Amino acid sequence: SQQGEEDPQALSIQEGENATMNCSYKTSINNLQWYRQNSGRGLVHLILIRSNEREKHSGRLRVTLDTSKKSSSLLITASRAADTASYFCATVESGNTPLVFGKGTRLSVIA
Amino acid sequence: DAGVIQSPRHEVTEMGQEVTLRCKPISGHDYLFWYRQTMMRGLELLIYFNNNVPIDDSGMPEDRFSAKMPNASFSTLKIQPSEPRDSAVYFCASTYRGLYGYTFGSGTRLTVV
Repeated sequence: SQQGEEDPQALSIQEGENATMNCSYKTSINNLQWYRQNSGRGLVHLILIRSNEREKHSGRLRVTLDTSKKSSSLLITASRAADTASYFCATVESGNTPLVFGKGTRLSVIA
Repeated sequence: DAGVIQSPRHEVTEMGQEVTLRCKPISGHDYLFWYRQTMMRGLELLIYFNNNVPIDDSGMPEDRFSAKMPNASFSTLKIQPSEPRDSAVYFCASTYRGLYGYTFGSGTRLTVV
């Protein structure tokens, strides 16, 4: 079953703009993770945020987590054409349970 | 480390044939996962192992699917007999202690004709 639901399903922006993707989930979680998938490739882990954290940064990435609303957002600042990919949120409900993925947001960055 | 290694990258087979997908996880990782990705259903967890022991195979769609992990450095996913609806990209992923990010392989694109 899908735990995370990303919004929007597709996003097209100009190079240099910021891209924001949202994720909502249904149950309580231990942590939430974001992954990137380039066309025809495997998923790459971007960032992990734990349930007791509210915000995390990694380079041009900023992730927020609102457990009261069961939602997260991924912000990519100053986007580049190389950021074109699908982005997935995934949740770990508790302990060592496996990741459950949403269906992803397809981001296109136009040069 | 070379990352999670999957083979083959592409597999085309005829309906009814046996298909075996292979995975070598990252050394030291104690969890291994098999996922399937399709346009319609997204990423689905098929089965996962902890310390080579299968923990949950409830995602395996049918008895035609089986997975093994004979040692910490090798796992297989077998489909016998294969059907066209099994066509998908199959990913293997591993992690340490289950609370950190997963490392995914490049996937095996399976086409059953």
